[in-house]
Amino acid sequence: GQNIDQPTEMTATEGAIVQINCTYQTSGFNGLFWYQQHAGEAPTFLSYNVLDGLEEKGRFSSFLSRSKGYSYLLLKELQMKDSASYLCAAMDSNYQLIWGAGTKLIIKP
Amino acid sequence: DADVTQTPRNRITKTGKRIMLECSQTKGHDRMYWYRQDPGLGLRLIYYSFDVKDINKGEISDGYSVSRQAQAKFSLSLESAIPNQTALYFCATRTGSDTGELFFGEGSRLTVL
Repeated sequence: GQNIDQPTEMTATEGAIVQINCTYQTSGFNGLFWYQQHAGEAPTFLSYNVLDGLEEKGRFSSFLSRSKGYSYLLLKELQMKDSASYLCAAMDSNYQLIWGAGTKLIIKP
Repeated sequence: DADVTQTPRNRITKTGKRIMLECSQTKGHDRMYWYRQDPGLGLRLIYYSFDVKDINKGEISDGYSVSRQAQAKFSLSLESAIPNQTALYFCATRTGSDTGELFFGEGSRLTVL
């Protein structure tokens, strides 16, 4: 079956770095997405990776290893506003998104 | 104003009632989607539409129906609501690209008593 795994919750300190991991199993693969969702709000797009490697976008970076079925989202210089849930979603061979349950990130001062 | 607007934002109803959730968008996207979100679960696709005449079932379409009235409007109906349909519902749009990002509405929180 198709499956996405990511930690349920993580805690980090303001100003620090945190890495949120995601492993996936899909029938075929057409890329991996990361979305941010603040409590009570809509998810918003952060990144899309389809090739192996690291893509950097400001304080946020996303990494993909297709051979390992693994991705991570790296957040640097954490700010209080980064407290949110981070959703990992893999796209299968039919271009359907398989979503993880999300990782709730708590930032402490 | 939001590019993807959902109404109502909150609704409490009783078992057996018919409910319609509406979605409208000003992004000019052809592709529209309805998802539900439950605590501890990933987003699950209910229905999606690639244009007015193209509507497709998602992984959890039972108990739901949709109508694509125009390119900009996509509504979700629960013909006879049941308590396990209590959830947060999101409408989303996407450009014509299969791998484009999704743009989500603000969500409609539905409670079925």
